[in-house]
Amino acid sequence: DAMVIQNPRYQVTQFGKPVTLSCSQTLNHNVMYWYQQKSSQAPKLLFHYYDKDFNNEADTPDNFQSRRPNTSFCFLDIRSPGLGDAAMYLCATSPGQGGSQPQHFGDGTRLSIL
Amino acid sequence: DQQVKQNSPSLSVQEGRISILNCDYTNSMFDYFLWYKKYPAEGPTFLISISSIKDKNEDGRFTVFLNKSAKHLSLHIVPSQPGDSAVYFCAANPNTGFQKLVFGTGTRLLVSP
Repeated sequence: DAMVIQNPRYQVTQFGKPVTLSCSQTLNHNVMYWYQQKSSQAPKLLFHYYDKDFNNEADTPDNFQSRRPNTSFCFLDIRSPGLGDAAMYLCATSPGQGGSQPQHFGDGTRLSIL
Repeated sequence: DQQVKQNSPSLSVQEGRISILNCDYTNSMFDYFLWYKKYPAEGPTFLISISSIKDKNEDGRFTVFLNKSAKHLSLHIVPSQPGDSAVYFCAANPNTGFQKLVFGTGTRLLVSP
């Protein structure tokens, strides 16, 4: 089955230690998204790639960066994680940028900061 | 400022009855609305959507209603089944040509046998 896969499912890192979260897709979708979801809050879009074009949300902290080396993979890098960055990180894809195309989500990576 | 609001954190319904989940929005630029279902330890799964040019969309047991003048939409599940127990997220997309979903905080539905 075509899908969106996030690794690892659970990640523990130390305060200030860089961490990378991974997302891969077999859907061959053009667009990949990263969301942050804190407990009892709505998922919040951090940034997205349309092919290789990177689009950052205005309020995404500078601490967060992303890479998309090819169509299938996208990475979320947190350079110096703080306690406030502990959250569920969701990766999603969609075929294109059209508003009517539902996004397909991975199962998320839960990040804990010690 | 929460542009998409789901004011009921939880809802309990008996099996076979109707479940009604509500969502309000503030941005009149939103023109496409989606509902996602999320089971524990899984990512959100697309359920049903509606364009702002419609007021109703139906897919099996699931129906979404849109009231643009009230900036309100609702998801009806009839009949409810225990397997429907999950968190339901409402999401809206502005008419920008790019899909930038704004999510609500979710409503946890519990359907008891």
